[in-house]
Amino acid sequence: DIQMTQSPSSLSASVGDRVTITCRTSQSISTSLNWYQQNPGKAPKLLVYGASTLQKGVPSRFSGSGSGTDFTLTITSLQPEDLATYFCQQTYNSPYTFGQGTKLEIK
Amino acid sequence: QVQLVQSGAEVKKPGASVKVSCKASGNTFSSYGISWVRQAPGQGLEWMGWISPHNDHRNLAQKFQGRVTLTTDTSTSTAYMELRSLRSDDTAIYYCARDVVGETIWIDYWGQGTLVTVSS
Repeated sequence: DIQMTQSPSSLSASVGDRVTITCRTSQSISTSLNWYQQNPGKAPKLLVYGASTLQKGVPSRFSGSGSGTDFTLTITSLQPEDLATYFCQQTYNSPYTFGQGTKLEIK
Repeated sequence: QVQLVQSGAEVKKPGASVKVSCKASGNTFSSYGISWVRQAPGQGLEWMGWISPHNDHRNLAQKFQGRVTLTTDTSTSTAYMELRSLRSDDTAIYYCARDVVGETIWIDYWGQGTLVTVSS
């Protein structure tokens, strides 16, 4: 199975800050990497697919980058509604494993 | 707007089985795959498997092989996940989700989740 290492596991930032979450895979997955946002008590929501393509309707302050084994989700100008847990997922090989999540708190 | 509506919460005893349903709105059910993902209380997401309503192809994580059956009914646009021999560590929210296959694969819509509680 492809192992996912997501960091940090938790993060506290202020409104307006730039936030970066990283995801590292145990083997190269090209760009088969997705990012999801999960608000408390809700189902996950797709933010970015194919490592860097923003899903329709997602605010442009979110962006994804990377290929191979190292990937990044960036939120520029953090907003209060970005309070959530963020997960990466690889879909290169089955099982389509998720990272352990990054819990983002607003200071 | 695509909607995936799942069946209600279940409470089961250890050793029992549970079957969760997931009904898709719209008329594109056979054009996409359906993944099943679970989340134990306070934990992360765990991918369980995938099924294609178009040709019934399935792909289960090895951990669930022998205990999970994925099926679909294209006449009602409904997917099902049956989990057998339930244990306490199967207590989780179970999500169905729609897979898109492009240059890569991603989940674009999720059901609301079904809480399955396993307790004696």
